[in-house]
Amino acid sequence: GENVEQHPSTLSVQEGDSAVIKCTYSDSASNYFPWYKQELGKRPQLIIDIRSNVGEKKDQRIAVTLNKTAKHFSLHITETQPEDSAVYFCAARGAGSYQLTFGKGTKLSVIP
Amino acid sequence: NAGVTQTPKFQVLKTGQSMTLQCAQDMNHEYMSWYRQDPGMGLRLIHYSVGAGITDQGEVPNGYNVSRSTTEDFPLRLLSAAPSQTSVYFCASSYSSAPPNEQFFGPGTRLTVL
Repeated sequence: GENVEQHPSTLSVQEGDSAVIKCTYSDSASNYFPWYKQELGKRPQLIIDIRSNVGEKKDQRIAVTLNKTAKHFSLHITETQPEDSAVYFCAARGAGSYQLTFGKGTKLSVIP
Repeated sequence: NAGVTQTPKFQVLKTGQSMTLQCAQDMNHEYMSWYRQDPGMGLRLIHYSVGAGITDQGEVPNGYNVSRSTTEDFPLRLLSAAPSQTSVYFCASSYSSAPPNEQFFGPGTRLTVL
């Protein structure tokens, strides 16, 4: 089955700096890659996703890039704000599968 | 719309007890799933369903049963609780099993097994 590795497990940045979280996946046929944000004590919520036929997608301060050859994808947050502090999860969906496989999460702390 | 709802929010069980975690959605979603979240382990899929009457196992199904008799409800049953099942359980649903298939999560159930 699919295996997703996520790095780093923790990340601290100064407010206003950029943050980058990277994930690698094992199934070269995977075709859908969402990112979820989970605030403390809350449920995970989708913040951005990308399909395998697209290399990059942006939504305001958030962007995701996908490198199918290297089998990795990354989340980029620019101009970080304290409210960006949360745990971020990447996930991948294998072709022909109904399942999302999640990475283990990155705890992002934005220091004011 | 209430979205995805879960009950109870908190539960304490003794080893060997059984219980059912309830999950319901009012969005007419086809796909529903159950995850457990443990510290440092991310979200791991327990069971999922692609429609009423259809269920399948995920990554960590042992010790859990599910059924899907209606589109709206997807209960998770713990047959004989064990301390290793202490976790936060999330139910999720999406309109379709095909991408893009944003999964909407319920608020979670925090389960402690003594």
